Amino acid sequence: DAGVTQSPTHLIKTRGQQVTLRCSPKSGHDTVSWYQQALGQGPQFIFQYYEEEERQRGNFPDRFSGHQFPNYSSELNVNALLLGDSALYLCASSLGGTLFYNEQFFGPGTRLTVL
Amino acid sequence: GENVEQHPSTLSVQEGDSAVIKCTYSDSASNYFPWYKQELGKRPQLIIDIRSNVGEKKDQRIAVTLNKTAKHFSLHITETQPEDSAVYFCPEANAGKSTFGDGTTLTVKP
Repeated sequence: DAGVTQSPTHLIKTRGQQVTLRCSPKSGHDTVSWYQQALGQGPQFIFQYYEEEERQRGNFPDRFSGHQFPNYSSELNVNALLLGDSALYLCASSLGGTLFYNEQFFGPGTRLTVL
Repeated sequence: GENVEQHPSTLSVQEGDSAVIKCTYSDSASNYFPWYKQELGKRPQLIIDIRSNVGEKKDQRIAVTLNKTAKHFSLHITETQPEDSAVYFCPEANAGKSTFGDGTTLTVKP
């Protein structure tokens, strides 16, 4: 039973560039949430995808966008990168979207460094 | 709105002692209360959770208690070991979304 996987593990970009991060949910899960975790802080909710649509969004600008595919995997895109976007990006999978709350399981994260 | 307060922000104990971390939440509609452990450089891992129809849940050395009237829930770790050293989070979980605070850094001294 595969857990949540993310790629790439590490990424270095320069200001102004664009980046795409990928996530495959745990087997049997249909919901993917993305979080940004800065050093020394807790994860901050970016958005959630369920049934290929963005269902909830945190306090992040439109530069952050995403997509969910029919196989439930998801992408996070960040445009016009800023130095402050440097963080660990975590993907979490769960079941059932916003209809009811179930356990969220996190992937290992992608460490993004913006220079 | 969602707002979770976690205390203390840092906790240092001797190996073998107990550790207690308390969280207070604001949304009375919350009905699911998870605890995550995050070791340095690793992903948050769900270690125990409780639902609003239960007052206490135990799993070996770890227990969680819930007081819905007072809107707080606590993590109890008994017989602490050095490998329990990590940051512990109690996100406010509602409708598939988790709102995290900055966690509690637990250090277990051998």
